Amino acid sequence: DVKVTQSSRYLVKRTGEKVFLECVQDMDHENMFWYRQDPGLGLRLIYFSYDVKMKEKGDIPEGYSVSREKKERFSLILESASTNQTSMYLCASTPGGVFNQPQHFGDGTRLSIL
Amino acid sequence: KNQVEQSPQSLIILEGKNCTLQCNYTVSPFSNLRWYKQDTGRGPVSLTIMTFSENTKSNGRYTATLDADTKQSSLHITASQLSDSASYICVVSPVGTGANNLFFGTGTRLTVIP
Repeated sequence: DVKVTQSSRYLVKRTGEKVFLECVQDMDHENMFWYRQDPGLGLRLIYFSYDVKMKEKGDIPEGYSVSREKKERFSLILESASTNQTSMYLCASTPGGVFNQPQHFGDGTRLSIL
Repeated sequence: KNQVEQSPQSLIILEGKNCTLQCNYTVSPFSNLRWYKQDTGRGPVSLTIMTFSENTKSNGRYTATLDADTKQSSLHITASQLSDSASYICVVSPVGTGANNLFFGTGTRLTVIP
């Protein structure tokens, strides 16, 4: 079974801090994703990576950056955290080049910015 | 306007009863439609994926149907159990776009009571 592991389930940070969210997958998937999930809204894509060091902006990249130095690891960085970035963050992965495959999600990081 | 609308927003049913969740979409043409189950505090887990040419797909007590003419999908849960209490998310993947271009519904929150 594919396992996507997010480093923290809960995180509390202060405004202005630089915040790192880590995600690791164990199935050699090419594609990795970062989403945020807010009440009443569907999942919104922040960033997508289709290979090591390759990334594409999603729908809401402002205030975020990402890093993918190794295939299994995809990091989301909040450059200077703000209260409107309080949310649930979900990481997901899929194999590359195979279209009708489900995304495998981690259990999320609930981030609170005070 | 969201291109994937789910109804109802929330639903409460008695254990053992059946229920049907709805997903209407405007994404067209589409490649596949997915249903995910998300337990509270966990990441979404794939239940079914249907391509545009399929009209039904089952996974145990979960059966998804698809009517591409009316752009509607349903998720039917048979003989509900307490563990079915979760949010159910409908996701549509357009044709000709990458793995990062998915349209998410906002989910239906199902509560099964004893």
